[in-house]
Parts: sequence; C-alpha cells; structure tokens
Amino acid sequence: DAMVIQNPRYQVTQFGKPVTLSCSQTLNHNVMYWYQQKSSQAPKLLFHYYDKDFNNEADTPDNFQSRRPNTSFCFLDIRSPGLGDAAMYLCATSGYRNSPLHFGNGTRLTVT
Amino acid sequence: AQTVTQSQPEMSVQEAETVTLSCTYDTSESNYYLFWYKQPPSRQMILVIRQEAYKQQNATENRFSVNFQKAAKSFSLKISDSQLGDTAMYFCAFMNQDTGNQFYFGTGTSLTVIP
Repeated sequence: DAMVIQNPRYQVTQFGKPVTLSCSQTLNHNVMYWYQQKSSQAPKLLFHYYDKDFNNEADTPDNFQSRRPNTSFCFLDIRSPGLGDAAMYLCATSGYRNSPLHFGNGTRLTVT
Repeated sequence: AQTVTQSQPEMSVQEAETVTLSCTYDTSESNYYLFWYKQPPSRQMILVIRQEAYKQQNATENRFSVNFQKAAKSFSLKISDSQLGDTAMYFCAFMNQDTGNQFYFGTGTSLTVIP
C-alpha cells in the first residue's frame, strides 16, 4: 500500500545533542510537511516543501532545519534540542494543490 | 492569518448514538477547504471528510456528515451510529484554496465512545 513512513517511531535524545527524524513516502506526492504536535494541542506547521521549494513558517525556530534530497524522502534536523522540543513530530504529504494531507504515524521525541 | 476553534476539548457518546463536534473558523478568504481529521490513540491521523467552501451541499461519508454554515463560519461534524472505533481525537482543519499548501488545525476534540 502506498503510504507515509516515519522512522523511528520513538526517539530519545539528550539536551543539546543533534537529532534527525526521517520521513519517506511511496505516494509520489509533490508536497511534504513537518508538523510539531504537543500534548493536547493542534499540530503546528514547521515547514513544507513543494517539490524542491522550501517554505518555512515565520515562527519556526532556527533550531529546526529540513532537507528533501528527493521526492520520496524528507528529514527534520533539530540542531540543539531543548526540553521544550519534546513532542510528536508528524510528517504529511499531499499530491497537488488543494488536496488533503496524508500523515505518517509520527515520531515521538523525548529530550532528556 | 486563519484561526480554527474547537470549543469542546472532550466529549463522550454512547455506542450507537449520534454526536456532533463543533468547529468555527475565522478567515477573510472566500475560497477554501475544510476538513475533519481523526487521530486514534497512538495511531496516525486520517482524513474523515472534506468540504469545499464553494459547495452549498454538505459533505457526507457514510456515518459522517458535516453541517457547513459559511456565513456563520461554522463547520460541525456529525457522527451517526457511533462505534467504539470512533474513539479518537478529532481535528478540524482549514486550507486556503488560493495558497493551497498551508493547513491550519484546531486544538482538537477528544471523543470517547462508551459501550
């Protein structure tokens, strides 16, 4: 089945230690998104790629970076995680303008 | 900027009964889409139903239907014949049709279906 896959499902990192979360998709969708979701809160858009065009949300901290080496893969890099960065990180894709989002299972990040 | 408000943090419903989840939004745009997403415990978020703002007819997907009131900027979700598998967080979401790629989510409603 075509899908959005996030690895790992759970990630533990130390305060200040860089961490990378990965997302892959077999849907061949143009757009890939990264959302941060804290407990009992709405998913918050961090950035998205439309093909290779990177779009950063104005309030996304500089600590968060993203890479999309090809259509299938997208990475979220957190350069120096703080305790406040502990959250569920959701990757999503959409195939064309105005189409619904398809989500992965998410990566739950713990910062110790 | 668009805002989406879900005023019911938690709701419960008896199995087989009907429940309505509320959502309001604020926008100055005229062309947009609205969505309801479901996030079961520890599982991925999936699309429940979608409504185009230019359509007057309310969207329906099996047991799920919406009441879209454009003038009131209201977009409620009705779940009929509730099932245990409907237990989940439900998020209302808005997307501007003209910019296309930015979704704005509400804070969610946690629905519990009681056997």
